[in-house]
Amino acid sequence: EDQVTQSPEALRLQEGESSSLNCSYTVSGLRGLFWYRQDPGKGPEFLFTLYSAGEEKEKERLKATLTKKESFLHITAPKPEDSATYLCAVFEYGNEKLTFGTGTRLTIIP
Amino acid sequence: GAGVSQSPSNKVTEKGKDVELRCDPISGHTALYWYRQSLGQGLEFLIYFQGNSAPDKSGLPSDRFSAERTGGSVSTLTIQRTQQEDSAVYLCASSSRDRGESPLHFGNGTRLTVT
Repeated sequence: EDQVTQSPEALRLQEGESSSLNCSYTVSGLRGLFWYRQDPGKGPEFLFTLYSAGEEKEKERLKATLTKKESFLHITAPKPEDSATYLCAVFEYGNEKLTFGTGTRLTIIP
Repeated sequence: GAGVSQSPSNKVTEKGKDVELRCDPISGHTALYWYRQSLGQGLEFLIYFQGNSAPDKSGLPSDRFSAERTGGSVSTLTIQRTQQEDSAVYLCASSSRDRGESPLHFGNGTRLTVT
C-alpha cells in the first residue's frame, strides 16, 4: 500500500501558466512532509518542510501547503528554469526513514 | 560549505562482480542514509546510520548488500555478486540531527550499470 502518492506524473505548462502539484499521504502520525526538486543527473535538492496542517511555506515562485491528508506545491508564473521533477516525502512517527513519492515531472515551455 | 560527495559518479561492472560505492557526508552531520533510485521508480530506502547506534538495515534488498560507516563519517555501500536488477542510481544523504524532522541533503549519486 502506497504511503505517498503524487499527481500528476507529468505536467507541461506554458511559461507564466500557474498550476499545482499534489502529494497525498497515508501515515499514522506525520512528523514532517518534505518537498524536493530533482534535476536530471543530480540528487534531490531540499525545498520545504511542513509539519502541521494549515502550515504554508514560500520560496520565489513556489508555495507549499499542508492538510491532514495531502500537500500541494503551487507554482505561480513559472519559468523554464522551474522545469524539474518535484518529489514529496514523509517522515512518520516510529519510522526513521523518509518515504518518497514517485514525483511529478514538470516541464515549462518558453 | 561542501555538500554530500559520492564516488564514483558512474560505475559499469560485469554481472557477478563486487562493487563499492563511497559517500562523504556533510561535516558534522550525524545521520547518514542510502537510497536507490531506479528508472521510473521512487527513491527506495536502503539503510540508515545514526551516530554510534546500530544501523537500520531494514531496506537492504538482499544479503548481497551491506554498508558500513567508519568513524561516524564516510560510508561505503558494498554490493556483492552484482545482478542486472541492481542497476540504478545509488544516492547518499546526510542530516544534521537524529530526528526525522531535519531535511536530508543528498549527493548527486552513483549511477551503477551491471552488464
